[in-house]
Amino acid sequence: DAKTTQPPSMDCAEGRAANLPCNHSTISGNEYVYWYRQIHSQGPQYIIHGLKNNETNEMASLIITEDRKSSTLILPHATLRDTAVYYCIVRPNNNDMRFGAGTRLTVKP
Amino acid sequence: KAGVTQTPRYLIKTRGQQVTLSCSPISGHRSVSWYQQTPGQGLQFLFEYFSETQRNKGNFPGRFSGRQFSNSRSEMNVSTLELGDSALYLCASEGGSGETQYFGPGTRLLVL
Repeated sequence: DAKTTQPPSMDCAEGRAANLPCNHSTISGNEYVYWYRQIHSQGPQYIIHGLKNNETNEMASLIITEDRKSSTLILPHATLRDTAVYYCIVRPNNNDMRFGAGTRLTVKP
Repeated sequence: KAGVTQTPRYLIKTRGQQVTLSCSPISGHRSVSWYQQTPGQGLQFLFEYFSETQRNKGNFPGRFSGRQFSNSRSEMNVSTLELGDSALYLCASEGGSGETQYFGPGTRLLVL
């Protein structure tokens, strides 16, 4: 299974864009990049996923490099409610999700 | 559409007892996965059920077991509870192979 590397913590000012990086240098061609977040003691919340193209939805944008070895999750206008642990997961099709330690994002007023 | 529901939300047991947790997936979803989350080990995959069959299994002892019913509802059982089994137990459902998993709120188990 491909592994991911994320910074343990990041801060972001409220209203600014939060850019969360993830390295997945051993990713295989059939593995998707998923992002989830977990607000204290709640179940993880799905944010976005992609294979090789950039993706955008109402919550965030996902930028995947051309070689697919890294990606960035962008929250365009972070709010205090975006404070959470963000998990980047590389998942082969039809396989289980392997969570790492994630990035603890703190949005500050 | 209702989300994934888990019951009970909180549970206190003593060492040596057994416990059964329940998960109802999103309507139409056939796959249910279970995870254990502890401060020390993070989120760890337990097992996955699809159409009443265990399709995938993590690295947990045989005290942890599960099953899935014909309506896709799933239960997990932990026998002979240990203090280290205190954790947040999460289930997630997905519609089919490789689709997005959606998580429930979890069951917080405390073993005394």
